[in-house]
Formats: sequence, C-alpha cells, structure tokens
Amino acid sequence: EADIYQTPRYLVIGTGKKITLECSQTMGHDKMYWYQQDPGMELHLIHYSYGVNSTEKGDLSSESTVSRIRTEHFPLTLESARPSHTSQYLCASSEGRSNEQFFGPGTRLTVL
Amino acid sequence: SQQGEEDPQALSIQEGENATMNCSYKTSINNLQWYRQNSGRGLVHLILIRSNEREKHSGRLRVTLDTSKKSSSLLITASRAADTASYFCATDAFGTDKLIFGTGTRLQVFP
Repeated sequence: EADIYQTPRYLVIGTGKKITLECSQTMGHDKMYWYQQDPGMELHLIHYSYGVNSTEKGDLSSESTVSRIRTEHFPLTLESARPSHTSQYLCASSEGRSNEQFFGPGTRLTVL
Repeated sequence: SQQGEEDPQALSIQEGENATMNCSYKTSINNLQWYRQNSGRGLVHLILIRSNEREKHSGRLRVTLDTSKKSSSLLITASRAADTASYFCATDAFGTDKLIFGTGTRLQVFP
C-alpha cells in the first residue's frame, strides 16, 4: 500500500545525544519535505529535496541536517540534541505540479 | 513573514451546524490548498483550488477563492463530532514548489 512512514513516533532523549528521525515513502514521489511544528502552531519548512542527492534548507533555520541517497528515504539528523529542539517533526512528499503533499504521522521529540 | 493567516483561531459549534474558516495570504499564488490535522497527527489533504477557480466542492466541503482580496474560505456543512480537528490553508508562492502554511483554525464540534 502506498504510504509515508515516520519512525519513531515518540522520542524522549537527553541533551547532547545524536538522533536520526526516519521518513520513508512508497509512492515514488520525487519531492520530500521536513516541517517543524510546535503544539497548536503553524508548520515551518526546515528542509526539502527535489530528488536523489538534492537537499535544500527551508524557511526556518534548523541545526538539523538531511540526506537523500534513495528516492524513498529522507532521514533527518540532529548531531547534538538540545531542549530547544523539542517539537513535532512532520515529513511529507509530493509529485507533479499540484504540490498536494502527503504527510507522515509525525515524530514527537522531547529533549530533556 | 507568514504567508497565510487564518481566522478564527478557534471555533466551537454543535453537531449539525456549519463551520466557516477564513484564510488570507500575501503574494500571488498558483493554487491554495486546505489540510486537516487531527491532534498529534500528520496533515491530510482536503481540497485544492487553482488561482483561476472561484469555488470548489467536495462532499460537505465548499472552498472559495478571491484572488483580488487574497483570501479563501472553507465551509464545512452539517458538521459532525468527527470533524473536530485543526484546519490549515497552504499556498504555493508563485514560481516555487514550496508550500507556506497558515496559522490554522482549531475546530471543535460538540455532539
């Protein structure tokens, strides 16, 4: 079944740890996105990719990094987590010119 | 600056009533989309309206777009408790592939 997956769904971790949030999609979409969303607030684009080996920074500055080695996989890494990174991280993908985006369920990250 | 702002920020209604949410944006667009987000979950695409369209329907949803006022509205008719969620508008800045999301309207429908 075509879908977009994120793991883990919830992560509680201590300051200074390195973490990787996983995002995979089985729809064959070229474009993928990472958003950061604080509770009850709007989404902010932090990274996007137009295809393999393409990564761009979004509108909101982020200390995270991303990679796109395979079409279906777009992981996000924080080298040293801090409490200010506590938020929900949403991954999305899209295809074509309509920009309709398909979202994963999100990862809720808490850094203590 | 934020592209989209939504009004109201929160809305509480009874089942069976209609819910109207408004979105304003700042720059020229190719299209405007509405998304729904259940608490703690990802967003789900509801409907897309192109810049050359003025109104679009999908089931109990009705979307209007006024490009001269840079605004859109989402009407949910005969609301149900299951419609309780946050609703976001999103615009693509003309000439880009990125979406910019509004601040969202939190809708609560009481049984």
